[in-house]
Amino acid sequence: DIQMTQSPSSLSASVGDRVTITCRASQGISNYLAWFQQKPGKAPKSLIYLASILQIGVPSKFSGSGSGTDFTLTISSLQPEDFATYYCQQYNSFPITFGQGTRLDI
Amino acid sequence: QVQLQESGPGLVRPSETLSLTCTVSGDSMNNYYWNWIRQSPGKGLELIGRIYDSGSTKYNPSLEGRVTMSVDASKNELSLNLSSVTAADTAVYYCARGNGISHWGQGTLVTVSS
Repeated sequence: DIQMTQSPSSLSASVGDRVTITCRASQGISNYLAWFQQKPGKAPKSLIYLASILQIGVPSKFSGSGSGTDFTLTISSLQPEDFATYYCQQYNSFPITFGQGTRLDI
Repeated sequence: QVQLQESGPGLVRPSETLSLTCTVSGDSMNNYYWNWIRQSPGKGLELIGRIYDSGSTKYNPSLEGRVTMSVDASKNELSLNLSSVTAADTAVYYCARGNGISHWGQGTLVTVSS
């Protein structure tokens, strides 16, 4: 299985800040990477697919980049509703696998 | 707007079979992969398996032998059976659409306990 490693595991930021989360794959996955946001007690919400394409309805403050093994999720101008846990997911090969998550705290 | 809704027992006895259904509304099930994914504090997000609208399946090797998935596109439903459950199978179970997942159900907590 492809291992997905996110860093940092947790991150503290303030309203208005810009933050970047990194996701590294244990082998190349082209651009078959998705990002999700999850709030406590809720299902994950899909943000980005194919590494950089926003899902419909996702604001442009979220952006993704990368290819191969290294990927980033950047969130600009943090608002209170953005504080959540973020996950990456590779779908280049079966089984799809997820990062361990990055918790973004105020 | 596609919506997915899981349903099934919230409590399953050890050694028994966990059975869940996912009902899809707002779109056809055709031409998509449909996944069952679970989330537990100890193991994070884990794929159980996926099924295509044709019914072809692939299961996570870690659970192979205990998992059966099926789809009924006429009813817009997919189902999951996980046999011989133990406490380690306690988790929130989600159905989700796509290889790069685009939509998730709200999830259902299944506890394995006697």
